[in-house]
Amino acid sequence: QSALTQPASVSGSPGQSITISCTGTSSDVGDYNYVSWYQQHPGKAPKLMIYDVSNRPSGVSSRFSGSKSGNTASLTISGLQAEDEADYYCSSYTGSGTYVAFGGGTKLTVL
Amino acid sequence: QVQLQESGPGLVKPSETLSLTCSVSGGSVSSAGNYWSWIRQPPGKGLEWIGYIYYIGTIKYNPSLKSRVTISVDTSKNQFSLKLSSVTAADTAIYYCARDSRAATALDYWGQGTLVTVSS
Repeated sequence: QSALTQPASVSGSPGQSITISCTGTSSDVGDYNYVSWYQQHPGKAPKLMIYDVSNRPSGVSSRFSGSKSGNTASLTISGLQAEDEADYYCSSYTGSGTYVAFGGGTKLTVL
Repeated sequence: QVQLQESGPGLVKPSETLSLTCSVSGGSVSSAGNYWSWIRQPPGKGLEWIGYIYYIGTIKYNPSLKSRVTISVDTSKNQFSLKLSSVTAADTAIYYCARDSRAATALDYWGQGTLVTVSS
């Protein structure tokens, strides 16, 4: 059982926007602005898409954005494209306990 | 461009020790601000953080694995390593090495991953 809770799947049509949630607790997501999001295509290593809740690494499309409210972080993908179809994982710093927790992953299907 | 490459046996017997090495190119394991990490992913499942090492000796482990895990760094070879003892079938996974540039889950460069199967 993952420490952070994500929906198992989300879907959207090309051009639409989708949001993936990541729910933690007041000891991780709610207490630190250290939430990251990763994209993983089948058979590939994960790719960092968002760090520190809402920052994009160089080279990541501006269609990807992150936010946080209370114990829940969110990843929004706007203008969905076929290449966005992948698994998405959130992670959070948890302090001195587990230290780093991942969500269980969300499969994004582009219809 | 930082590149990481995992190497090690793809098959380990139950109760033995899993040993993997991550070779880093395009960057130095001795550079400040970078934390060299191990993450694993059982086939068809999610990601699990194993731990990281900072070149000055700071090490953090996932408490669920702490009693069996050792992460070390060899600055002369620009490599870092993972040892996981007393393995069982539950340790079968793709093992990734990665660079964490924030010491708090900004894993910005990853190796391609290596599948380690625990089986007799």
